[in-house]
Amino acid sequence: SQQGEEDPQALSIQEGENATMNCSYKTSINNLQWYRQNSGRGLVHLILIRSNEREKHSGRLRVTLDTSKKSSSLLITASRAADTASYFCATVFFGSGNTGKLIFGQGTTLQVKP
Amino acid sequence: NAGVMQNPRHLVRRRGQEARLRCSPMKGHSHVYWYRQLPEEGLKFMVYLQKENIIDESGMPKERFSAEFPKEGPSILRIQQVVRGDSAAYFCASSPDYRVAKNIQYFGAGTRLSVL
Repeated sequence: SQQGEEDPQALSIQEGENATMNCSYKTSINNLQWYRQNSGRGLVHLILIRSNEREKHSGRLRVTLDTSKKSSSLLITASRAADTASYFCATVFFGSGNTGKLIFGQGTTLQVKP
Repeated sequence: NAGVMQNPRHLVRRRGQEARLRCSPMKGHSHVYWYRQLPEEGLKFMVYLQKENIIDESGMPKERFSAEFPKEGPSILRIQQVVRGDSAAYFCASSPDYRVAKNIQYFGAGTRLSVL
């Protein structure tokens, strides 16, 4: 299976703390993306990092990518209760037959307590 | 510019019935992806379509499932003779062009299928 893994599966922190989620994948990738899913809703795109990039920032989000280890991390700084959601990494693999489909990890459920 | 529209939001079917899930992509998007999410799991790719063409159906179950994206109208995911194991959330996503390095996909709110 190309499906990646994320850890932790669940994370509970206090408002104001930082949250770090990790993602590992199995194949060579074109890019890696992080999505957020609020309970019972669709996915919202957060950030994309290309395979030739090592770090990317967007507001309170910081993503790193280590292609040698086939892993990525998402850091949310100064968390807020509104950040409570499930977070998924998704990869677009590199190579022939690439149709842009996303391969998702299992997700990390983040709870931020006010 | 409306987002990706999926309907119905909730669908209840009895075993053996047919389920039809609809997806209207964002304006200007000609690429549609369908994903399935089982309870407590991540999303799994099912099928990728462009207008009137199925490009990649490597994630589709071999039987009972079909998808189309006609020249006019929404994309349809059809599940014939549903079984309890088909109960899941089905998400549609659209994209302007996967060949662009930034294949960011825009997701609909999903259809939650319950099979009794």
